[in-house]
Amino acid sequence: DIQMTQSPSTLSASVGDRVTITCRASRSVTRWLAWFQQKPGKAPKLLISDASSLESGVPSRFSGSASGTDFTLTISSLQPDDFATYYCQQYNSYPWTFGQGTKIEVK
Amino acid sequence: EVQLVESGGGLVQSGRSLRLSCTASGFSFGDDAMSWVRQAPGKGLEWVGFIRSKVNGGTTEYAASVKGRVTISRDDSKSVAYLQMNSLKTEDTAVYYCTRASHAMGGDYRNYYMDVWGKGTAVTVSS
Repeated sequence: DIQMTQSPSTLSASVGDRVTITCRASRSVTRWLAWFQQKPGKAPKLLISDASSLESGVPSRFSGSASGTDFTLTISSLQPDDFATYYCQQYNSYPWTFGQGTKIEVK
Repeated sequence: EVQLVESGGGLVQSGRSLRLSCTASGFSFGDDAMSWVRQAPGKGLEWVGFIRSKVNGGTTEYAASVKGRVTISRDDSKSVAYLQMNSLKTEDTAVYYCTRASHAMGGDYRNYYMDVWGKGTAVTVSS
């Protein structure tokens, strides 16, 4: 199975901060990686697919990038609605696997 | 509006069976693959399994943790996907989410991303 390792597990930030979350795959997933946002008691929401393709309706302050087996989700200017938990997920091979999550909390 | 609604969750004893349903609306259900993801209380997301569209064979894939105990099926005439769970264990306690899985452009038979999610249905397995 491909292991997905996110860092950090928790991130304390303020509104307006530039925030970066990293996800490392244990082996190549090419570009087949998604990022999700989840708020307490709610279903996850797809933000980015194919490592860097922003889903329709997702604010442009979210972006994704890839370098080998390292993937990054960047929020250029954190907004109040962005405090949530973020997950990466690979869909290169079965079983599809998720990172353990990164919680962005108020600093 | 594209929507997925799960149902069938509840409290069940260990060793028993349960079938979850996922009713889709707002898109051509028969053209799309579907998937199930679960989340144990206070934990992260875990992929459970996947079913392709009939035109792509209607084949299924499962996580090792549920393989042999779980069956995913679909009824395109009703726009419903099912998750049949047998021999339930306490560790199957989770919120179960149904998702649409869209084929990634340029990808092969494995490459689908989960772009639409239901609100989930809670399953509690008691000992």
